[in-house]
Amino acid sequence: GAVVSQHPSWVICKSGTSVKIECRSLDFQATTMFWYRQFPKKSLMLMATSNEGSKATYEQGVEKDKFLINHASLTLSTLTVTSAHPEDSSFYICSASGRAEQFFGPGTRLTVL
Amino acid sequence: AQRVTQPEKLLSVFKGAPVELKCNYSYSGSPELFWYVQYSRQRLQLLLRHISRESIKGFTADLNKGETSFHLKKPFAQEEDSAMYYCALSGVNSGGYQKVTFGTGTKLQVIP
Repeated sequence: GAVVSQHPSWVICKSGTSVKIECRSLDFQATTMFWYRQFPKKSLMLMATSNEGSKATYEQGVEKDKFLINHASLTLSTLTVTSAHPEDSSFYICSASGRAEQFFGPGTRLTVL
Repeated sequence: AQRVTQPEKLLSVFKGAPVELKCNYSYSGSPELFWYVQYSRQRLQLLLRHISRESIKGFTADLNKGETSFHLKKPFAQEEDSAMYYCALSGVNSGGYQKVTFGTGTKLQVIP
């Protein structure tokens, strides 16, 4: 199947700093990428839908200025958590839409101290 | 609005016993439904989708529009089936964008 990578796989940062997470589709072009957040023992919560070359569509309750999404190319989308706080600590997962299927990245564990 | 409900957080069955993971959905249009599986320390991956009507690893799922259900079934559970299973619905939201909504997941535990 198609491969989606995320970088970094885990990150620890201080409160108030910004963190960028990259999502890449390695062997296919993805016009649409999705960003999810997963809390412990909870389901995936869709944060936003990222379309190449246009602004991301955010789900209700997700702060656009807090979670900046850039889909610069057909193989790369980035999520930047700005001014991170401890409550932003979570597991962030991206997926890329291709071949009528979503392919998921391995996720990024963010811990904000 | 689209919604997916998985009523069981944990399902424990003995090896060789039948398995049924329940999924109910709510969607006004014609849905596309999927089952995703996440094995321990691995990423989420597609197990099967309703439009392909296939059996993967012995699992099947039939879309029942009357009951708005898409239950996942397997006649004989195996230890390697132990994992987290998510039911998901793909539909078009009010903004015209394709959106996938996940259920809360059911952890399947197969007891040797």
